[in-house]
This record gives sequence, C-alpha cells and structure tokens, in this order.
Amino acid sequence: GENVEQHPSTLSVQEGDSAVIKCTYSDSASNYFPWYKQELGKRPQLIIDIRSNVGEKKDQRIAVTLNKTAKHFSLHITETQPEDSAVYFCAAAYSGSARQLTFGSGTQLTVLP
Amino acid sequence: GAVVSQHPSRVICKSGTSVKIECRSLDFQATTMFWYRQFPKQSLMLMATSNEGSKATYEQGVEKDKFLINHASLTLSTLTVTSAHPEDSSFYICSARETGAPGTQYFGPGTRLTVL
Repeated sequence: GENVEQHPSTLSVQEGDSAVIKCTYSDSASNYFPWYKQELGKRPQLIIDIRSNVGEKKDQRIAVTLNKTAKHFSLHITETQPEDSAVYFCAAAYSGSARQLTFGSGTQLTVLP
Repeated sequence: GAVVSQHPSRVICKSGTSVKIECRSLDFQATTMFWYRQFPKQSLMLMATSNEGSKATYEQGVEKDKFLINHASLTLSTLTVTSAHPEDSSFYICSARETGAPGTQYFGPGTRLTVL
C-alpha cells in the first residue's frame, strides 16, 4: 500500500517569512495529492490539491509543487501570518473508485509574530 | 460549498456501552464516506471505507464487530462503537467524497469520544 512521509514534524517561522513542508510517497500509481490544514480540535480543511498531470499549482500565498519522478511534493506558504499556525497534513491517493487518502504524519507550523 | 456534519461533537459514556456517531453530507451526495481515528498530536488513521448500499471495507487491524458501519443513504453514514472501553477514547472524524469528478473529500468536524 501507499506510504507517505512528511517533514519536518515541527516548523517555526517568523511572520512574513516563507514555510516549506515536504512529503514523499511510495506508490507510483498515486495521482492526487491534497494538503489539509487542521487547527486544534477542528476538522481538517482542504487548502490546495494537485493532480499528477500538473507540476505546480498556486493559490494566493499557497503553492504546491509535484515531482512525479522523485515521488515527492511540497507545500509552500509565503508571507506567513500568525493565523497560518496549525497542523498541516499532506496526503496521497489513487484516483480510483474509492480514492482512499493516505496521510502524512503532519507538520505543526508556528508563525511567530 | 460542500458541508459535512457529524453528530454528536462530544460524547462521554461508561465502559461497556455503545455509542453511535452520525456523518452527513449536507449539500451533496456521497457514495463513499471514510471514518478516521485521530490520537492527540498524531495523524489521521483510516479505519474503514463506507460505501452506500454495501458492506464497509475495514483497514487491517480494525475490528469490524467493534466498529459497526452503516451507510444506508447517499448522505448518511453511521459508526457505532460497540461495548466501548477506555482505550476507544479518541477523536473520530468522518469524511465524505463527492460522487463524480473531482471527488474531493470533505471532513466532518469530528466527535470526541471519552469512555470512562
């Protein structure tokens, strides 16, 4: 089955700096890679996703890059703000009939004011 | 936007009792729903995949007789924790996948289960 590794487990940045979180996956059949943001005690919220036919996707301050050959994808947050502080999870799935998501272990991002 | 509700949000029960958690997709149909368990400061662990009108598919190590799943309609899946014990205390989160493309998964708000 799929295995997703995520690094780092914790990340602290100064407000206004950029944050990068990296994930690798094992199953070359995976073709859908979403990123979720989860605040303490709340539901994971989809913030951006990318499919394997695209190398990069951007939405305002958030971008995701995908390297299919190396089987890794990254989340980039620019101009970080305190409200970006949360746990971020990457996930991978094969876009088949069920599309079960395999999650990374999560990254606790803290943006220091 | 797509909204998934989950009820109850918090439940405290005595050891040996059963607890039912409901997961509803409010504004879309979900052929497939997923149930996850999350321990503090850990990732989401998939427990089972719930398919409307058929039996759920359980992940390895998850007892199907312990965690009963029913997906009776395109908008409702239920998880029943039977004969709950303190080690079942956890945060249970469901997600619902839109039927058809792109099939994005949306998460419910979660249920905090505490078994005394």
